[in-house]
Amino acid sequence: NAGVMQNPRHLVRRRGQEARLRCSPMKGHSHVYWYRQLPEEGLKFMVYLQKENIIDESGMPKERFSAEFPKEGPSILRIQQVVRGDSAAYFCASSPRTGPEETQYFGPGTRLLVL
Amino acid sequence: KQEVTQIPAALSVPEGENLVLNCSFTDSAIYNLQWFRQDPGKGLTSLLLIQSSQREQTSGRLNASLDKSSGRSTLYIAASQPGDSATYLCAVPVSNTGNQFYFGTGTSLTVIP
Repeated sequence: NAGVMQNPRHLVRRRGQEARLRCSPMKGHSHVYWYRQLPEEGLKFMVYLQKENIIDESGMPKERFSAEFPKEGPSILRIQQVVRGDSAAYFCASSPRTGPEETQYFGPGTRLLVL
Repeated sequence: KQEVTQIPAALSVPEGENLVLNCSFTDSAIYNLQWFRQDPGKGLTSLLLIQSSQREQTSGRLNASLDKSSGRSTLYIAASQPGDSATYLCAVPVSNTGNQFYFGTGTSLTVIP
């Protein structure tokens, strides 16, 4: 069973371009979480999705950021019109279910650099 | 809002030493607390999960304790090895709608051979 896969692992964009980050959860996992790790800061929750539904997007910036988890295919985190402050590591995690006894399985992350 | 703090921010020890990493949280109404390990350029690996009804969990050379009333958890690493060098993060769930986490800022551990 392959782990959580994220691609690309590194992404370079110029200011104003769009960034698309992909996450394929572990097989059988229907819950996906995105986190952002800014330089010298801890991981911050962004959004929690189940198949075709956004459950909690309370950590997502109101503008330029969107996420989806379609019925088929990977989850996508999309950042429009990127700015230098978006440079960070973006981690995706998945779990088969929710509950106090559950952990999350993290992908290797996508490191976004905005020039 | 839950705040999670970890001290020290960095720690350097000689191989073989026992060590303790600390985590504190402001809201004691947590479902569980987890300790993760993060290696440079890689994702996070779950080390130990302590449910709110438990006081400690052990896995090999690792032992994590939880004191909800005081808002503290410790991760004890016995007989440290160079391979233990990594950043250690503690995390608590945000809410009962899922298990998205509040993370601490981590302790960067270096074990010197």
